[in-house]
Amino acid sequence: QSALTQPASVSGSPGQSITISCTGTSSDVGGYNYVSWYQQYPGKAPKLMISEVSNRPSGVPDRFSGSKSVNTASLTISGLQAEDEADYYCSSYTSSSTLVFGGGTKLTVL
Amino acid sequence: EVQLVESGGGLVQPGGSLRLSCAASGFTFSGYWMSWVRQAPGKGLDWVANIKPDGSEKYYVDSVKGRFTISRDNAKNTLYLQMNSLRAEDTAVYYCARDRTRPNCWGQGTLVTVSS
Repeated sequence: QSALTQPASVSGSPGQSITISCTGTSSDVGGYNYVSWYQQYPGKAPKLMISEVSNRPSGVPDRFSGSKSVNTASLTISGLQAEDEADYYCSSYTSSSTLVFGGGTKLTVL
Repeated sequence: EVQLVESGGGLVQPGGSLRLSCAASGFTFSGYWMSWVRQAPGKGLDWVANIKPDGSEKYYVDSVKGRFTISRDNAKNTLYLQMNSLRAEDTAVYYCARDRTRPNCWGQGTLVTVSS
C-alpha cells in the first residue's frame, strides 16, 4: 500500500499550463481507469476535480484535464488562474479493493 | 443537497478509544460505498477504510487493521469508525466520503488528537 508518487511542488504564471504527474504501479494506476484528482485549499475538505482518469464532474472548469499512460496519470491545468493555487492529490483504486493517494503537490501561481 | 457531517473527534490518550460518526443526507445512503480518509496535520491524504452499501464487505489500510472498525446503519443514514488502541500517529482530521473508487462528496472533517 505505497503512496502514489507526485512532485512536491509545481509552479506557473497566470495564463500558462502546468502538468502534475502521479506514478503508481500495475496494481493501481496502470491496472484500472479509476484515477481521480482532488483540489484542496488550506483548512478545507478536498474537492473532486477529475474522476476515472479524464472525467470532469459538473461545475469543474474545462481548464482541468486528466490523462493516463501505463502507470502514470497526469493532471493538466491550462490558462492558470490565481484561484488554482492549492494542493492537488491523485488517487487510484487498487487490486486489493482499497484506495491509495499520492503524496500531494503544492501548486504555486507566480 | 448532498451533505456529510462528521462528529466524535477529540483529544484521547494513547491506547484509548474513540467512535466517529458521519451523518449523510441528500442522497440514497444505502446505495453507496462509503470511505474514511484521514489527513495528519500538515500532511497528505491517507485512505483508511471503506464499506460496501450493505455492510458485507470492509477493507482497511494495513496500519489500522485490528484496531479500527468501519460500520454503517443504513436506517439512520450514518457511517461509523470505531477506533481502538489509538496511537500518536493516528492524530489527524478524519473525513468521511461517498464512494470507494472516486470519493466525490466529503464532509468537513473531525479532528482526532492522540496525546497524553
